[in-house]
Amino acid sequence: AQKVTQAQTEISVVEKEDVTLDCVYETRDTTYYLFWYKQPPSGELVFLIRRNSFDEQNEISGRYSWNFQKSTSSFNFTITASQVVDSAVYFCALSGRGGFKTIFGAGTRLFVKA
Amino acid sequence: NAGVTQTPKFQVLKTGQSMTLQCAQDMNHEYMSWYRQDPGMGLRLIHYSVGAGITDQGEVPNGYNVSRSTTEDFPLRLLSAAPSQTSVYFCASSYGAGDLPYEQYFGPGTRLTVT
Repeated sequence: AQKVTQAQTEISVVEKEDVTLDCVYETRDTTYYLFWYKQPPSGELVFLIRRNSFDEQNEISGRYSWNFQKSTSSFNFTITASQVVDSAVYFCALSGRGGFKTIFGAGTRLFVKA
Repeated sequence: NAGVTQTPKFQVLKTGQSMTLQCAQDMNHEYMSWYRQDPGMGLRLIHYSVGAGITDQGEVPNGYNVSRSTTEDFPLRLLSAAPSQTSVYFCASSYGAGDLPYEQYFGPGTRLTVT
């Protein structure tokens, strides 16, 4: 069975702090895909990144970076120099090859205070 | 492109009533899904479809039916609403290449309350 755990329910930081959101996954598939989505207070869900199980290179996009470690089954997300606009719920998700049963974690609510 | 559209945005039902949540996409995506979002539980997959005429169950399918007669539309039917179905419902679509999952595009959601 597949499972995604986001142990941090809520995180509160002050603007310009760095913050890391943790994601731990379980799967028996050898090929799988990991995603992060953002849900701002307006409610829509926005795709941030997709990573396949064969690509363990870390990725950086502006202030966002992702650290994928198969050895610990983790796909953590770091926001550098956080801003108030980063306040949102962030979801980590997992899909196996051959299907669209995407499993989401419970989400981490990030508050960034000015 | 309108992307993924959902109607209605809000709905209040009485226990036992039935209704259909509409979902449409104009991106010619093969894959479509329905999720419900409840506080503290993330998004849970209700049903999904990998193409017209093909549907399958997700994690929490009980009490819901779907069909996919066209690529564009993927309605979700509540047969006999129960208070436990009070939730926010999201429809999503995704491009598919073979069996590789790509990112999903989500609709704006439908907030359903069952009294």
